[in-house]
Parts: sequence; C-alpha cells; structure tokens
Amino acid sequence: EIVLTQSPGTLSLSPGERATLSCRASQSVSSGTYLAWYQQRPGQAPRLLIYGASRRATGIPDRFGGSGSGTDFTLTISRLEPEDFAVYYCHQYGDSPYTFGQGTKVEIK
Amino acid sequence: QGQLVQSGAEVKKPGASVRVSCKASGYTFSSHYLHWVRQVPGQGLEWIGILSPSADFARSAQKFQGRVTMTRDTSTSTVYMELSSLTSDDTAIYFCARGNWGFPLGLWGQGTLLSVSS
Repeated sequence: EIVLTQSPGTLSLSPGERATLSCRASQSVSSGTYLAWYQQRPGQAPRLLIYGASRRATGIPDRFGGSGSGTDFTLTISRLEPEDFAVYYCHQYGDSPYTFGQGTKVEIK
Repeated sequence: QGQLVQSGAEVKKPGASVRVSCKASGYTFSSHYLHWVRQVPGQGLEWIGILSPSADFARSAQKFQGRVTMTRDTSTSTVYMELSSLTSDDTAIYFCARGNWGFPLGLWGQGTLLSVSS
C-alpha cells in the first residue's frame, strides 16, 4: 500500500501568515496526481479542499493551493484566516487501499 | 450537492457486531459509490472500503476483510456497513463518504461514534 507521510506534525503560525504543508508518498501515486487534501475542524467531518494535486474543490477559497506530482506534494495556505486553524490530511485515491497521511495540525501561535 | 446522514452512536460489547447506516439525499444515488472511513478519536483517518451503488463492486482494506460487510438499499438510498467480532480497537468514529473509484471523497456524513467496551 502507498504510505503517505506528512510534515510537520504541527505548524504554529499567526493569522495572516503563510502555511506550507508537505505530503510525501512511499511510491508514485496513480497518474502522478491522484492526491487530495482535506481540512478537518474539531468535531466535524473532513472537508475536501484540493483534488488532482492542484484543483480546488467547489467553494474553496483561492488562498488554498496545491502543487506537486509523483511522490511529493504541498498544500499552501497563502494567508491564514482564523477558520483555517485545523488539521489537514493528504489522501491518495488512485490505488487500493486508499490511504491517508497522519495529518498536520495548524495551530495558532 | 447532496447530503449523507448517518445513524446514531452505538455502544457494543467485545465480540458483538454493529451495523451503521448512511442515508443519501439530494443527488442521484445510483451514480455514486460510497466509502467507509474511520477515525479513532484524536487520531488520523483510516479507509475501510467502498461499495458501488449497484453493489456489484466492493473492495475493503485487507485488515477488515472477513469482518466487514457493506450493503445498500436502493429503495431508500441507504448504504450499510456491518462490522463483526468487535474489539476495543474498533472504538472510533465511522464516516461514510461519497466518491467514485479513482475520485476523491467530496461529500461526507456527520460520523457515527462506536464505543466497544465490556
């Protein structure tokens, strides 16, 4: 199975700052881009932010951006808003079993 | 857009089975696969399996094979996940999520908390 490793585990930033989250796959994901990012706030279900490595899901603000292909992927939040402090997961959906990274928590500094 | 509404919290004893339901609305049920994903409180997400709307395609993660059964009722647009031989390690929040094979999970249920304790 494809193992996804996210870094860092926790990111401590202030509102308005830029966040850069990393996701590395143990082997290339299917078609190089079958990689998604989700945001999960406490007590809520995950919400799809990015799919196809770089495509924003419907209704997602353009401060969220995804990049990468193959084994290395990045989620960037250009300017953190208060509602962006949450846990973020990467997810590969091209190979069975589907797998998720362990998550990166973005917390208020 | 659609909505997925799951059944309520469950408390089970070790060795028992549980069935969690996920009712779809607001979209064409027959056009989308549904997945099951679980999350131990405070931990990450773990994929359990996928079921096609016609139930002719089902796949589950190896660790759940033999213990998970996914079914659907097209008349009520509801998908079910049954997990047997429960242990305390199965204590988690179980989510259903919509996404065809090779597509991301774009719509999620609210989650169902399963507690397994003697």
